[in-house]
Amino acid sequence: AQSVTQLDSHVSVSEGTPVLLRCNYSSSYSPSLFWYVQHPNKGLQLLLKYTSAATLVKGINGFEAEFKKSETSFHLTKPSAHMSDAAEYFCVVSDRFKAAGNKLTFGGGTRVLVKP
Amino acid sequence: GAVVSQHPSRVICKSGTSVKIECRSLDFQATTMFWYRQFPKQSLMLMATSNEGSKATYEQGVEKDKFLINHASLTLSTLTVTSAHPEDSSFYICSARLQGGLSYNEQFFGPGTRLTVL
Repeated sequence: AQSVTQLDSHVSVSEGTPVLLRCNYSSSYSPSLFWYVQHPNKGLQLLLKYTSAATLVKGINGFEAEFKKSETSFHLTKPSAHMSDAAEYFCVVSDRFKAAGNKLTFGGGTRVLVKP
Repeated sequence: GAVVSQHPSRVICKSGTSVKIECRSLDFQATTMFWYRQFPKQSLMLMATSNEGSKATYEQGVEKDKFLINHASLTLSTLTVTSAHPEDSSFYICSARLQGGLSYNEQFFGPGTRLTVL
């Protein structure tokens, strides 16, 4: 079984300051981990993914995340927030191997507000 | 690459009617597609897994007779909401899985369809 917990439902930051979105996961198998962003009434856009290569993953728009197996965490960070970063962010886990199924399990989401 | 489209983007219908939503993989073949439902300010919930050439696999609690899924080709899956009721109003999102390589289980998402049942 797999699950994802996003520790903050809302995060408010000032433009130009760092952003931290926290995510903890559980997975019976080796996980694949993803961060998606969703702007209002839009589909999901992949920010970055971890699939067993480097534990520090760099994504689009200046975002990065670090896979920490010992802490079962995959927190998302960005050094300097931009107004366009205001959106909903989802941490997602999947069991990596096909035999374990290929479903994605979504966290509850974190809504990011960026103040000017 | 790996673009997924959905049609329509928005639909309003009367209670009791049926609505069909299409999901297409535009530049790749997808033997597996997924249908999700998202209520306002909530996360995505997987409804069913659509398999090309075979029956869909529904998640627990999802009525397969109400949400009909057809995956007739490698680039098209359809979701039909039958006898729609106001409680079926939601944002429906499809995705398609890219097989192989190092991107196990990565899914590419469509832009979503907003269904409003009056």
